Amino acid sequence: SQTIHQWPATLVQPVGSPLSLECTVEGTSNPNLYWYRQAAGRGLQLLFYSVGIGQISSEVPQNLSASRPQDRQFILSSKKLLLSDSGFYLCAWSLGQGYNEQFFGPGTRLTVL
Amino acid sequence: AQKVTQAQTEISVVEKEDVTLDCVYETRDTTYYLFWYKQPPSGELVFLIRRNSFDEQNEISGRYSWNFQKSTSSFNFTITASQVVDSAVYFCALSETLNNNAGNMLTFGGGTRLMVKP
Repeated sequence: SQTIHQWPATLVQPVGSPLSLECTVEGTSNPNLYWYRQAAGRGLQLLFYSVGIGQISSEVPQNLSASRPQDRQFILSSKKLLLSDSGFYLCAWSLGQGYNEQFFGPGTRLTVL
Repeated sequence: AQKVTQAQTEISVVEKEDVTLDCVYETRDTTYYLFWYKQPPSGELVFLIRRNSFDEQNEISGRYSWNFQKSTSSFNFTITASQVVDSAVYFCALSETLNNNAGNMLTFGGGTRLMVKP
């Protein structure tokens, strides 16, 4: 069966510090991968998606970036965090074709102080 | 552009009551999928159901049921005999094809917070 991992689970970072969140998927090959952000009390905003190694598409311009160095690894990064980057970050995967459901990881709660 | 509206931001019921969560969507696609997810306090989104645009049959899974009405662009979710464990935020979502046609992107509604009191 497929599983998706995210770490860290929680993170408190000062403004201006770098960020690296990691997501890995097990039990499937060539998945589509997604990064979402959920601000407190609000819905989900798609940040990035990837349909293959090294292929990243950005949905929202911001100071975040994403990379996919391996088939089942998806990394969310920032060189300098802003206060507005605080939120709950969710990674998800789906099969590569069709209108397939996305399966979500446990999330990382980021607080920027 | 696609849009999903969940007009009920918060619902509070007493245990054993039935509750319906509304979802209305907008899309120009003729083929699309609709989804419901549950987000318990732990934060992880749990997939509940997928429904394609060609299948308007209602679906029942235990205490959960879904009513898809293409004519009104609605995909409502009913929980029968609600329980405290049903307390969560529920999201409705609509899929569209990514630009390269190799996958799907979900457009989420704003979510409905359901509180079931004992």
